[in-house]
Amino acid sequence: GEDVEQSLFLSVREGDSSVINCTYTDSSSTYLYWYKQEPGAGLQLLTYIFSNMDMKQDQRLTVLLNKKDKHLSLRIADTQTGDSAIYFCAETDTGRRALTFGSGTRLQVQP
Amino acid sequence: NAGVTQTPKFRVLKTGQSMTLLCAQDMNHEYMYWYRQDPGMGLRLIHYSVGEGTTAKGEVPDGYNVSRLKKQNFLLGLESAAPSQTSVYFCASRSGTSGGNEQFFGPGTRLTVL
Repeated sequence: GEDVEQSLFLSVREGDSSVINCTYTDSSSTYLYWYKQEPGAGLQLLTYIFSNMDMKQDQRLTVLLNKKDKHLSLRIADTQTGDSAIYFCAETDTGRRALTFGSGTRLQVQP
Repeated sequence: NAGVTQTPKFRVLKTGQSMTLLCAQDMNHEYMYWYRQDPGMGLRLIHYSVGEGTTAKGEVPDGYNVSRLKKQNFLLGLESAAPSQTSVYFCASRSGTSGGNEQFFGPGTRLTVL
């Protein structure tokens, strides 16, 4: 079945760049997403990338996709304390279009 | 627009009790989803619906039933709650017109089964 994996924890200093990595197994994935979840809150879509792209940039966020290796990364430039949250990688199929999530990476930003 | 709303926000049940979680969206979305989130895990799909009157099973459907009698509402039922159903439940909806369209999530319902 489909599987999405992420590292559990990342700690960076304020102002540094953060890179969160994700691997997935479903070669038919059409879109890959990054969601952010703050404590006690729902999920907020940060960005997504179509599977025929290899990079997407949106302000401080850069998404890189290596389709051959099924590897997705999210780079946050100039990381701020407000970026502290759990970040979920997710992929979707063409049928039901439900999301398959990774277990989330907790980003801790130290002042 | 309120987006996706969920009621209740919190609930404590005893084993064997039943309850219904309500999800409502005002965006005229075709697709609606119920996920559960357990500690240290991502969200897992319980059931979903691709339109009014339709429902289908996701990855973890056992112990749950759903109904989509109206396009804007998606109900999740627990007929006989078990402690293993203690979780945070998220509803989501999306338009069916394009594959990349965002899924909009509700704020979640935190359910504890004693």
